[in-house]
Amino acid sequence: QKEVEQNSGPLSVPEGAIASLNCTYSDRVSQSFFWYRQYSGKSPELIMSIYSNGDKEDGRFTAQLNKASQYVSLLIRDSQPSDSATYLCAIQTGRGSTLGRLYFGRGTQLTVWP
Amino acid sequence: GAVVSQHPSRVICKSGTSVKIECRSLDFQATTMFWYRQFPKQSLMLMATSNEGSKATYEQGVEKDKFLINHASLTLSTLTVTSAHPEDSSFYICSAPSAGGYGYTFGSGTRLTVV
Repeated sequence: QKEVEQNSGPLSVPEGAIASLNCTYSDRVSQSFFWYRQYSGKSPELIMSIYSNGDKEDGRFTAQLNKASQYVSLLIRDSQPSDSATYLCAIQTGRGSTLGRLYFGRGTQLTVWP
Repeated sequence: GAVVSQHPSRVICKSGTSVKIECRSLDFQATTMFWYRQFPKQSLMLMATSNEGSKATYEQGVEKDKFLINHASLTLSTLTVTSAHPEDSSFYICSAPSAGGYGYTFGSGTRLTVV
């Protein structure tokens, strides 16, 4: 079983602050990494994907990947109350019969207060 | 973009009855569909992987005779919860790989309540 670990939180930040979400994974052959946002009672929606070491920025979101440390993070700048949700880290491995499936962490609950 | 349409969004059924959940891929062909279950404040747990034209692959601990999966066409996969019990009450979500090989498209989920 592939392990994907996240701090469950809750993480609470004021509006306008930077929210930092972290994720570690156990399988060194993991190739693709995703951050999903899930509002209560809704299905996950993709926020960011990252495949190579370094930073990837998209608007207020920055994903960071360090394969040597088996660590992926998501930074949300200028946090808004509408960012309040559960953020799921997911990895995709790339070998054998498990090719293609996602492994999810338990999620970090983020609350952005006005 | 790619869309997976999932129905129903919400269903309440009596213990012992069966419930069918449908996921249709719109504007793309889904040769593979992943079925997840999510209990409150838990993460998504993969139940099974369905492939068009072949038998589904079930995760360890998931009863294949209870959760029947059919993937008869490239645009439709169904999950039938047979002889439902209250402990089957959960949020069921389907997901298909998006075109291009990266990323996944999720259905909107089905909230099943068994009374």
